[in-house]
Amino acid sequence: DVKVTQSSRYLVKRTGEKVFLECVQDMDHENMFWYRQDPGLGLRLIYFSYDVKMKEKGDIPEGYSVSREKKERFSLILESASTNQTSMYLCASSLAGGGTQETQYFGPGTRLLVL
Amino acid sequence: ILNVEQSPQSLHVQEGDSTNFTCSFPSSNFYALHWYRWETAKSPEALFVMTLNGDEKKKGQISATLNTKEGYSYLYIKGSQPEDSATYLCASPNTGNQFYFGTGTSLTVIP
Repeated sequence: DVKVTQSSRYLVKRTGEKVFLECVQDMDHENMFWYRQDPGLGLRLIYFSYDVKMKEKGDIPEGYSVSREKKERFSLILESASTNQTSMYLCASSLAGGGTQETQYFGPGTRLLVL
Repeated sequence: ILNVEQSPQSLHVQEGDSTNFTCSFPSSNFYALHWYRWETAKSPEALFVMTLNGDEKKKGQISATLNTKEGYSYLYIKGSQPEDSATYLCASPNTGNQFYFGTGTSLTVIP
């Protein structure tokens, strides 16, 4: 079974802090994704990566950066956390070969509260 | 950005009832439609990937149909059980394999 793990289930940070959210997958997937989920909105893509050291902006990249130094690990960085970044963050991974038919496998999410 | 919509937003059914809900997506430039089930405190879990008009897929008591010409998919649950309580998400990818998700349908099955 594919396993996608996220470093924390719950996180409380102060405004202005630098926040790291880590995601690790164990199935050698090429693609990795970071989403946020807010009430009344669907999952929205922040950043994704097709390969090590590669990154692409999603629909809402402002205020975020990412790092992918190893194939299995994809980090989301909030350089200076703000209250409007309070949200549920989900990481996902997928194989590259199947294109649009390829299933994305999700982690359990990190619920971040910025005070 | 693809506009993917789901309805209803939530519903409550009695154990044993059958139910269905809808995912609407743009019919132009369609590539695939993904259904997920997301139980509280767990990871979203893939249910179906559908690509062809008229496709019908089934997993246990859950089934889904696809109409790419009119841009909708139905998810059916026959004889709902409390363990079917979850949020059901659909997503449609663009050509770059970026997924666009609906807001989900939250299902509560009352014992």
